[in-house]
Amino acid sequence: LAKTTQPISMDSYEGQEVNITCSHNNIATNDYITWYQQFPSQGPRFIIQGYKTKVTNEVASLFIPADRKSSTLSLPRVSLSDTAVYYCLVEGDTGRRALTFGSGTRLQVQP
Amino acid sequence: DAGVIQSPRHEVTEMGQEVTLRCKPISGHDYLFWYRQTMMRGLELLIYFNNNVPIDDSGMPEDRFSAKMPNASFSTLKIQPSEPRDSAVYFCASSFLSGYNQPQHFGDGTRLSIL
Repeated sequence: LAKTTQPISMDSYEGQEVNITCSHNNIATNDYITWYQQFPSQGPRFIIQGYKTKVTNEVASLFIPADRKSSTLSLPRVSLSDTAVYYCLVEGDTGRRALTFGSGTRLQVQP
Repeated sequence: DAGVIQSPRHEVTEMGQEVTLRCKPISGHDYLFWYRQTMMRGLELLIYFNNNVPIDDSGMPEDRFSAKMPNASFSTLKIQPSEPRDSAVYFCASSFLSGYNQPQHFGDGTRLSIL
C-alpha cells in the first residue's frame, strides 16, 4: 500500500484559500488519490478523488502533477466550518482492497 | 439514502463484558469495512468484507475480536472479553464493488469505553 505524508496541522483565516499537499512517492499505476474530511464525533467523509491532472467539484479542487508523486487539495475561501482533519489516501488494485489512513492534517480556521 | 447506520452510538461497560457493535451498510454496497480510531494509533482498518465474505482480517488485534456479516444489510463486531485498551471509536464503512476508485461511506461511529 502506498504510504502518504502530509503536514500534521495548518492554520488559516476565514475567506482564505487553503492548499494541503500530500506526498505519495510510491504510488502505483492503478492507484487513485482520495481525500476525506473528518469532523469531531463523525466518520470521515469523502471530499474528492482523482487520478491525474485536475479535478474540481463543488467543495474542492485536487491538483495532481504528471509524475503523480504528490497531490494538493485546494479549499477555496474557507470558513469556520471547514475546521476538520483532512486525510489523503492512495488506493488501488493492490489485492488488499482497503484504505490506509495516515495521521491526517488538522486544519484550524480562525475568524 | 440513510447512509451507514451504526448502533449503539455510545457504549460504556466494565472490563470482561462482551460488547457487540452493529452496522447497517448502504443498500447495494458490496464492501463493508470496520475501523477503530484512537488518539494514539489514528484510524486503523480491522477487517473488511466483500459480498458478506471476510476478505482480510489481518487488522483484527487478537482473538477477542470477531466480526460477522450474516447478510448484505447487517454486520457485527464483537469483543469478548473486553479490556480497557479496547476503548476507542469504532467506525463502519461501505462502498460499491465496481472498482477500486469507489470512495467509502462511513457511519458516525460507536464510542466505546471499557472501565
